[in-house]
Amino acid sequence: QVQLVESGGGLVKPGGSLRLSCAASGFTFSDYYMTWIRQAPGKGLEWVSYISISSSYTNYADSVKGRFTISRDNAKNSLYLQMSSLRAEDTAIYYCARDREGGATSFDYWGQGTLVTVSS
Amino acid sequence: DIQMTQSPSSLSASVGDRVTITCQASQDFSNSLNWYQQRPGKAPKLLIYDTSKLEAGVPSRFSGSGSGTHFTFTISSLQPEDFATYYCQQVFTFGPGTKVDIK
Repeated sequence: QVQLVESGGGLVKPGGSLRLSCAASGFTFSDYYMTWIRQAPGKGLEWVSYISISSSYTNYADSVKGRFTISRDNAKNSLYLQMSSLRAEDTAIYYCARDREGGATSFDYWGQGTLVTVSS
Repeated sequence: DIQMTQSPSSLSASVGDRVTITCQASQDFSNSLNWYQQRPGKAPKLLIYDTSKLEAGVPSRFSGSGSGTHFTFTISSLQPEDFATYYCQQVFTFGPGTKVDIK
């Protein structure tokens, strides 16, 4: 069965960096676009970034552009999100999700999420 | 950028009730409109994609319709496990959510 498992969250000071990982299994990872979506405590869902199958295309929300970098390793069935210059407003649960048809169509499988807390 | 609005923002309903949630997009991008369910403490779950297609394994009491900028999500007969928050999504934008709780 499809599984997505995020890791790497934690407490980081403002201005700091963190790298999130998402381990995929149960499907051919290299056949799908992948996405990061976040949810601030008690708030709604915010799309963060997506990456194409071969990493040729990436896209970012304006709120993270220039600070976050998405990447993937198809040989390791893994998705990553490198976050830098973190701000308090980046505090959220970060979910990785499979993009059904690519380019932010629909997200048919989600991980359980990893919590990132940005605080001094 | 697309702006999505949902109404109502919350509602109280009883088991067996018919529940309808609407989602309005700021522009007609002719892209698929999707609906997700999120139970407390859990990841969102895709219920409806491409406006009206039922995701595999999702009960048929859930349905979606609409076109252009106006979309509707319906639960025909609310079940205890359906008390949750529902989000619409189009491309990079999610609606603000509709919380369905017990009357």
